[in-house]
Amino acid sequence: KAGVTQTPRYLIKTRGQQVTLSCSPISGHRSVSWYQQTPGQGLQFLFEYFSETQRNKGNFPGRFSGRQFSNSRSEMNVSTLELGDSALYLCASSLTSGSYYEQYFGPGTRLTVT
Amino acid sequence: DAKTTQPNSMESNEEEPVHLPCNHSTISGTDYIHWYRQLPSQGPEYVIHGLTSNVNNRMASLAIAEDRKSSTLILHRATLRDAAVYYCILRDLNAGNNRKLIWGLGTSLAVNP
Repeated sequence: KAGVTQTPRYLIKTRGQQVTLSCSPISGHRSVSWYQQTPGQGLQFLFEYFSETQRNKGNFPGRFSGRQFSNSRSEMNVSTLELGDSALYLCASSLTSGSYYEQYFGPGTRLTVT
Repeated sequence: DAKTTQPNSMESNEEEPVHLPCNHSTISGTDYIHWYRQLPSQGPEYVIHGLTSNVNNRMASLAIAEDRKSSTLILHRATLRDAAVYYCILRDLNAGNNRKLIWGLGTSLAVNP
C-alpha cells in the first residue's frame, strides 16, 4: 500500500507570495491533518479534515487555510507569506477522525521564504 | 490543555533496553497517550498508543502509570535504527478537542554501537 505523498518536496517563495501544498493520503484513509515543524517550536498542529469538513484547527492565523476533496486528497494554502513561515509542513492521514487511530505521516514539504 | 514533559535527550547502547519517560500530570480521562518517533529527514512514524492498560506491539511496549500521570516507552533491545526523536503526545478521544494539539520537542535518543 502506498504511503502518504506530499508535493512539492521543496519550495522557495518570496515574502508576500502565497503557496499551495498538496497531500495524498493512504488509500482508504479519510482524515488528513497538517502540521508545521520548526527547530525551535517542534510540531504544531494546523488543522484536520475529515470527509471534506474541517474538524479541528490549531492556533494559526487566518493566512493558513486548507481544504479536502471528495477523494480525501488535501491542500493547504498560506497567503501573504512571512519569513517566519519557513518550516517543514507535514501531512498525516488516518483511517478516520478520532484519537484512537494512529496517524501516518508523509515526508513533508520544506518551505523556505526569502 | 493537557501537556507532556519529556527529557531533551537520552543515550543508550545497542542491544540494551531503553526506557523513555513522559510526564502528563494534567491528563484528562478522555486523553489517549500516543508515541511517535521521527528519524532524521523523515516524517514522524507511529510507535504505539494506549489509554489505561499497558500495551505491547512489535516495535515497543508502553507502560502507563496507574494514575495515568506518566508513561514510559520501552524499547526492549535498542538498535542503531532506533536513534530518533521520540514524541509523547496526548490526543483527546473527543476529536473536536484536539484543536490545540502540541507535540513539543520530544526526546532525542542516541544509540551507541
